[in-house]
Amino acid sequence: EVQLVESGGGLVQPGGSLRLSCAASGFTFSSYSMNWVRQAPGKGLEWLSYISYSSSTIFYADSVKGRFTISRDNAKNSLYLQMSSLRAEDTAVYYCARDRVTVSGDYYMDVWGKGTTVTVSS
Amino acid sequence: SYVLTQPPSVSVAPGQTARITCGGNNIGSKSVHWYQQKPGQAPVLVVYDDSDRPSGVPERLSGSNSGNTATLTVSRVEAGDEADYYCQVWDSSSDHRVFGGGTKLTVL
Repeated sequence: EVQLVESGGGLVQPGGSLRLSCAASGFTFSSYSMNWVRQAPGKGLEWLSYISYSSSTIFYADSVKGRFTISRDNAKNSLYLQMSSLRAEDTAVYYCARDRVTVSGDYYMDVWGKGTTVTVSS
Repeated sequence: SYVLTQPPSVSVAPGQTARITCGGNNIGSKSVHWYQQKPGQAPVLVVYDDSDRPSGVPERLSGSNSGNTATLTVSRVEAGDEADYYCQVWDSSSDHRVFGGGTKLTVL
């Protein structure tokens, strides 16, 4: 079964740091690009970051650029999100999602984890 | 950056047809993807590339895309279709993935 499992969420003070992990199973992780997406309480989905299968290409949303770092370890079938300078508005459920491409070259996310909750509060 | 606009809510009686729109500048030139999210659960892909369905998604859910509007149509609506629905595109100018604000489908 194709599965993504996030971990590492928790309560952190403003200005603090946290590292999220996403463990992949049931597919060849090293062949797929990946994304992080978050959802603040009662709000919609917000795409945060993309990393290609080889880590050679990385993109960030403006809201997290310079504060968050995406990375992966294909040997461990794992995706990571290092978050620093955290703010109250970073409070959200964080999802990892597998990236896919259409025949026309557009991108979507076909498999999602259940998410891990990050709360930024003093 | 590219903006996608969805109505906050759509309500429909069981057995009727719900249409959820996603507006964007010349969105018909892009591929649109749709996700369903039930309360307390992760999003699930229900339509990709405008109108394709992943295996396991009922034919009652269908998508179309033209001009400045993409539409997710839910036919013969059931209570189990009640959820939030999000459209998504890839913004080629920034290489960012973009989501619409989401639409809450309520089954009356």
